[in-house]
Amino acid sequence: SYELTQPPSVSVSPGQTARITCSGDALPKHYSHWYQQKPGQAPVLVIYRDSERPSRIPERFSGSNSGTTVTLTISGVQAEDEADYYCHSTDNTDTYVVFGGGTKLTVL
Amino acid sequence: EVQLVASGGGLVQPGGSLRLSCAVSGFTFSSYWMHWVRQAPGKGLVWVSRINSDGSRLSYADSMKGRFTISRDNAKNTLYLQMNSLRAEDTAVYYCARDASFRVGVIDYYYGMDVWGQGTTVTVSS
Repeated sequence: SYELTQPPSVSVSPGQTARITCSGDALPKHYSHWYQQKPGQAPVLVIYRDSERPSRIPERFSGSNSGTTVTLTISGVQAEDEADYYCHSTDNTDTYVVFGGGTKLTVL
Repeated sequence: EVQLVASGGGLVQPGGSLRLSCAVSGFTFSSYWMHWVRQAPGKGLVWVSRINSDGSRLSYADSMKGRFTISRDNAKNTLYLQMNSLRAEDTAVYYCARDASFRVGVIDYYYGMDVWGQGTTVTVSS
């Protein structure tokens, strides 16, 4: 079965840049999307189609695709950005939807 | 206001069944794909199932195939998940989510899950 691989954790100090990666063989062919989830809350879409940002999401959130790896970048990290982040995409058959295992972002 | 309200969760014995519902409002339900996504306690998000806008295309994660059935009633603005032969490992919060993706001809255009419900908790235990 298809898998998306994320690092379990990333830590940064306030004001620094956080980069969270997601790797998968089908990513050159299929868009990725990113979700933020805070404890006890439903996920929120923060990036779609690799690099598009919903209007309500702050500009410090951005996304990029470099083949089999996509990256969520949070510039000027704030304490409120501490959360779990999940990437999401589709397998090469366009049948299965897959989430990465999630990355816990800690703001030191 | 766009809203998704999931309901139907509860405590069920192994081997039992539950039917989850997701009532939507604030948008044209019949224009959107929909998903069910679950999250076991302390674990990550796991995709369960997807249905396209008119209900003609269904997809399931392998571990749910044959046990779970996704459906929708566009006249009632409601998404469903029928869960049978439940196992302890099905214990999770179940979220419904709206997907702005669409198909033109044989090509799918993916846009991600842009609105999520609050989730309903399913506990499978004797």
